[in-house]
Amino acid sequence: EADIYQTPRYLVIGTGKKITLECSQTMGHDKMYWYQQDPGMELHLIHYSYGVNSTEKGDLSSESTVSRIRTEHFPLTLESARPSHTSQYLCASSEWEGRATYNEQFFGPGTRLTVL
Amino acid sequence: AQKITQTQPGMFVQEKEAVTLDCTYDTSDPSYGLFWYKQPSSGEMIFLIYQGSYDQQNATEGRYSLNFQKARKSANLVISASQLGDSAMYFCAMRGAQGGSEKLVFGKGTKLTVNP
Repeated sequence: EADIYQTPRYLVIGTGKKITLECSQTMGHDKMYWYQQDPGMELHLIHYSYGVNSTEKGDLSSESTVSRIRTEHFPLTLESARPSHTSQYLCASSEWEGRATYNEQFFGPGTRLTVL
Repeated sequence: AQKITQTQPGMFVQEKEAVTLDCTYDTSDPSYGLFWYKQPSSGEMIFLIYQGSYDQQNATEGRYSLNFQKARKSANLVISASQLGDSAMYFCAMRGAQGGSEKLVFGKGTKLTVNP
């Protein structure tokens, strides 16, 4: 069973507020990811990390930022939330074994963000 | 570039019957992996099954099987003996092995409804 956690599960916040979405995993995985998903739509990768002090932007441009100071922790921050940021944010992790294709990604339960 | 196409926005099936969810893919990568995930209304992503491009046999996991036709670039998910709890969104995804393509690319998903 996957051990990856996200908090909060739901967040309703006003425009202009700074928010941090937390993601942590206890599996010792090197690779971690953040996806953005609108209701009923596909997942879009917005950030990923190969390990500590590594962060990369994903395929979908995002105003959010991430950090990876510890292996188990990969928080996502929005400096000034806007209604266009309303979405579900999913965190995932996987083992890093070079270019192996078989490593599944384990997903957290997601954070549903609503910006008023 | 990698691309996943799921042409069925919604599918309906009677309980205890089998259902096939379509997935076609496009890639120039000779080595790749194909994944299916289930997303219930609660939002989490649940890994179902994996098929490697060099695997000789179709993958099976309990009631889930993957009908892999490499020449047609299709990787359809077959769910046998559908249960009410199978009602969810189903996403097909691909991961390549070449540099820069380690990320998962998702299709738009298929919403499956199992009727009693």
